[in-house]
Amino acid sequence: DGGITQSPKYLFRKEGQNVTLSCEQNLNHDAMYWYRQDPGQGLRLIYYSQIVNDFQKGDIAEGYSVSREKKESFPLTVTSAQKNPTAFYLCASSAPAGATETQYFGPGTRLLVL
Amino acid sequence: GQQLNQSPQSMFIQEGEDVSMNCTSSSIFNTWLWYKQDPGEGPVLLIALYKAGELTSNGRLTAQFGITRKDSFLNISASIPSDVGIYFCNGGNFGNEKLTFGTGTRLTIIP
Repeated sequence: DGGITQSPKYLFRKEGQNVTLSCEQNLNHDAMYWYRQDPGQGLRLIYYSQIVNDFQKGDIAEGYSVSREKKESFPLTVTSAQKNPTAFYLCASSAPAGATETQYFGPGTRLLVL
Repeated sequence: GQQLNQSPQSMFIQEGEDVSMNCTSSSIFNTWLWYKQDPGEGPVLLIALYKAGELTSNGRLTAQFGITRKDSFLNISASIPSDVGIYFCNGGNFGNEKLTFGTGTRLTIIP
């Protein structure tokens, strides 16, 4: 089955720790995205990547980092510099960048800071 | 990014009622998309609009690209329990910039 997967579904982090959220897709999509969702604030773009080995900051990149070493994978690291990391994180991908803006989303990871 | 105003923020309706929601922008767009997010899941595309005045249906859902190119509307007819969730508009100038998501409309059906 083609799709986009995120793991884990729930993640707990102690204050001051970095944590990495996984996102994998087997849709052969070039573009991948990370969003943060807080209640009442919709989806805010953290980082996006149009192609392997390249990525750009979104609207709320501070305290986050990403890498895009493989087409299929776009992991997001929430660093200790992110002061309010508790949120629902969504990864998405889209077909060859420029062909369409339709995004396919993963099931999300809920991050809780203890 | 662009600022989108989506309204209403939430709706409480009875099963069988029709639903209307809209999104407005401060500038002209060439693309409007509508997504639905089920509780605890990622959003899924419902309808895509690429032309001013375009009216597109997907079952009981109908969306329109506003004539002014600064707004879009989503209507749901005869709501059923599985319509519960958050509906997001997503708009912008595809090809020139990243599209922006609205803040969402949370739909709840009262028993």
